[in-house]
Amino acid sequence: QVQLVQSGAEVRKPGASVKVSCKASGYTFTNYYMHWVRQAPGQGLEWMGLIILSDGSISYAQKFQDRVTMTRDTSTSTVYMELISLRSDDTAVYFCARARIPDMGYDAFGIWGQGTMVTVSS
Amino acid sequence: AIQLTQSPSSLSASVGDRVTITCRASQGISSTLAWYQHKPGKAPKLLIYDASSLASGVPSRFSGSGSGTGFTLTISSLQPEDSATYYCQHFYSYPITFGQGTRLEIK
Repeated sequence: QVQLVQSGAEVRKPGASVKVSCKASGYTFTNYYMHWVRQAPGQGLEWMGLIILSDGSISYAQKFQDRVTMTRDTSTSTVYMELISLRSDDTAVYFCARARIPDMGYDAFGIWGQGTMVTVSS
Repeated sequence: AIQLTQSPSSLSASVGDRVTITCRASQGISSTLAWYQHKPGKAPKLLIYDASSLASGVPSRFSGSGSGTGFTLTISSLQPEDSATYYCQHFYSYPITFGQGTRLEIK
């Protein structure tokens, strides 16, 4: 079945970086766009950006433009999201989410990973 | 960025009630709107896409309507398992944004 499996929880100190992975299975990896969304404690959902899996092109939300890097490894069907210069307000659950339709960047998110908790604390 | 405003922010209703949540966009977005159900500790679940299309496996008591700037999510007969936070999301342009969420409690 189609699924996205994310890496486990992480704890980092302020100023450090974190890299979260999202391994896809059950479908043709490069046919879709993958998004990253986060939810801070007690807050709503926040879109961070997307990566086009066929060619690696990216579009980041302006808020994260200087600190986030999204990449993919087509040999392992895995997407990565790295966030640098972490602050306490980056403490959140980070989700990968796949578009519903192939080759569609403007689409609802039909499949989600289970989420990865990232805690930033000194 | 397009802003989405949901109302109410929270509500409490009884099993069997009809519940409506509203989402208003700061500019026209055609029908590029989705609704998600989010329960604590779980991934969000797609309920409605393209404003009014029911996602696969979603019970028919859920429905969506609207276009342009005004949208609604309706639950026709509330069930205990519908307790969750509901979010609208547009995908008209980047950045994609979500509404602030509506917390639904079952009385």
